[in-house]
Amino acid sequence: DQQVKQNSPSLSVQEGRISILNCDYTNSMFDYFLWYKKYPAEGPTFLISISSIKDKNEDGRFTVFLNKSAKHLSLHIVPSQPGDSAVYFCAANRQRDDKIIFGKGTRLHILP
Amino acid sequence: DTGVSQDPRHKITKRGQNVTFRCDPISEHNRLYWYRQTLGQGPEFLTYFQNEAQLEKSRLLSDRFSAERPKGSFSTLEIQRTEQGDSAMYLCASSLGQMGFYTFGSGTRLTVV
Repeated sequence: DQQVKQNSPSLSVQEGRISILNCDYTNSMFDYFLWYKKYPAEGPTFLISISSIKDKNEDGRFTVFLNKSAKHLSLHIVPSQPGDSAVYFCAANRQRDDKIIFGKGTRLHILP
Repeated sequence: DTGVSQDPRHKITKRGQNVTFRCDPISEHNRLYWYRQTLGQGPEFLTYFQNEAQLEKSRLLSDRFSAERPKGSFSTLEIQRTEQGDSAMYLCASSLGQMGFYTFGSGTRLTVV
């Protein structure tokens, strides 16, 4: 069963506009959430994270929002740039587990 | 330090053959992870080490798979009697123990024919 779900396999956004990537999780024991970005032929790279004690974390153009009651998080990228075209993975873990569980990913295309 | 290195980048093997992959983590990182990614899926956890101790293995890791991390440095992942279903990207990552802040290598793409 999938504990971390990214229901949109792909998303296309105009350059300069906001990109919103969504993620749902089923395990209420998760207390830490992360976003990773992956370019072709490279491994995933860490982008931004959020602890379950917060509802928002911001880093430059990237903001992650967490809605614990809905078991939902989202990644906002604004403004979107061509270099943001990549696959974005949502991931989660529990403090007592060391491994992280990934979603299937969303491929983001930034259109010129 | 150039990050996490994985070797080889690509491997094509015949069904039934054994293969071994190597991962060199960032030198000061004490934790090392192996994940597998198939087409259209996210990375799936296989196993992880803290120093030389293998602390957890996924149910995905059948008895044909074995991983080692001698002396807590590099790690190897061996697959015996490969099957077509083993075809995937095998990703290695390392961390200093901070939750989820992994540095991934570029992966080894295995194709079993």
